[in-house]
Amino acid sequence: AQKVTQAQTEISVVEKEDVTLDCVYETRDTTYYLFWYKQPPSGELVFLIRRNSFDEQNEISGRYSWNFQKSTSSFNFTITASQVVDSAVYFCALGGPSYSGAGSYQLTFGKGTKLSVIP
Amino acid sequence: EAQVTQNPRYLITVTGKKLTVTCSQNMNHEYMSWYRQDPGLGLRQIYYSMNVEVTDKGDVPEGYKVSRKEKRNFPLILESPSPNQTSLYFCASSLMADGMNTEAFFGQGTRLTVV
Repeated sequence: AQKVTQAQTEISVVEKEDVTLDCVYETRDTTYYLFWYKQPPSGELVFLIRRNSFDEQNEISGRYSWNFQKSTSSFNFTITASQVVDSAVYFCALGGPSYSGAGSYQLTFGKGTKLSVIP
Repeated sequence: EAQVTQNPRYLITVTGKKLTVTCSQNMNHEYMSWYRQDPGLGLRQIYYSMNVEVTDKGDVPEGYKVSRKEKRNFPLILESPSPNQTSLYFCASSLMADGMNTEAFFGQGTRLTVV
């Protein structure tokens, strides 16, 4: 079975600080996708990034960056110069084959990390 | 506008009274799924569907049913709701690419309370 662990339940930072959200995953498969989603206080789920298991290149998008390391099964997310608008719950997710049936795929989420950015 | 639409957004019901939460997507996505979100537990997948007439259990399927008669619709059915099914429910859809599901587009959520 696949599993996603976000060990940090809640993090508080002061505005303009950098913050890293950790994500560790477990899967038996060599082919899978990793995702990050943001859930602001309004409740909707916003897609941030998808990473294929074959692509270990790190990615930067503005103040956001992602560090994918297959060797440690981690897909960490860093926000540089945090802003109050970054306050949200962030979910890491793993998409991959389900073992309940051939050709089936599941999407497994971590429990989320609540980030509070204090002005 | 590409979107996933869930209805209703809020629902209060009594134990044992059958209910259906509808979900519809207009992006021609093959993959659709339902999740429930509970404090401290994150999002847990209830059921998912790879395509029409193909459904499979997620991590917490007990007490729920789904059907996928058309590609765009994926209703969630609670035949006999119980208080432990009080939760925030999300429907999602995604394209299949390279044999894998890609990023999921989520509905706005349905806040269900069972009393």
